[in-house]
Amino acid sequence: SAVISQKPSRDICQRGTSLTIQCQVDSQVTMMFWYRQQPGQSLTLIATANQGSEATYESGFVIDKFPISRPNLTFSTLTVSNMSPEDSSIYLCSVVPREVGTDTQYFGPGTRLTVL
Amino acid sequence: AQSVAQPEDQVNVAEGNPLTVKCTYSVSGNPYLFWYVQYPNRGLQFLLKYITGDNLVKGSYGFEAEFNKSQTSFHLKKPSALVSDSALYFCAVRDKSNAGNMLTFGGGTRLMVKP
Repeated sequence: SAVISQKPSRDICQRGTSLTIQCQVDSQVTMMFWYRQQPGQSLTLIATANQGSEATYESGFVIDKFPISRPNLTFSTLTVSNMSPEDSSIYLCSVVPREVGTDTQYFGPGTRLTVL
Repeated sequence: AQSVAQPEDQVNVAEGNPLTVKCTYSVSGNPYLFWYVQYPNRGLQFLLKYITGDNLVKGSYGFEAEFNKSQTSFHLKKPSALVSDSALYFCAVRDKSNAGNMLTFGGGTRLMVKP
């Protein structure tokens, strides 16, 4: 498996501001994803982070609200823009390691966001 | 389309007793099935998966799961529960033909193991 870190681990933000979350992996991975886990809820996929091209967003999520970058095979960022209290969630990145035959997603520790 | 159902929001078990956390799935093709565990204020940890082969899959921390194609189920089991197993458990599915590797998660089941 891969070692995945996320920064920040938690933050409290004001309405209308933006927060960028970083996801760093200790080895090259084929795929990176961003999920949202609202309070007391399951995980919902926001988007697939594509290296060197625009992310692929799931229904209900748009680039203007959740811009994503993936400049290389080990790093991605998710920005939560123009935040409102409804954006209060845990945001998790996940990766699929590059080893042949590996198809398991491994998750980072998450970023707990509270919007006031 | 792919979907997962975890019919129980919470499962209560006494320490030392066997536990089962239920999961049923729906995919149009062949499934890849996964169980993850989430401890308080932590990310998801991978427990085990079924890809192909033996229907009984063994994973971390003494957990196992049985793939049942006819019942489209993938229940998580452990012969003897520990208090430290108390956590939130998620079942996830992916259609084998889904090249995008996108997982669909169930709603989660909170496992409470009492001393």
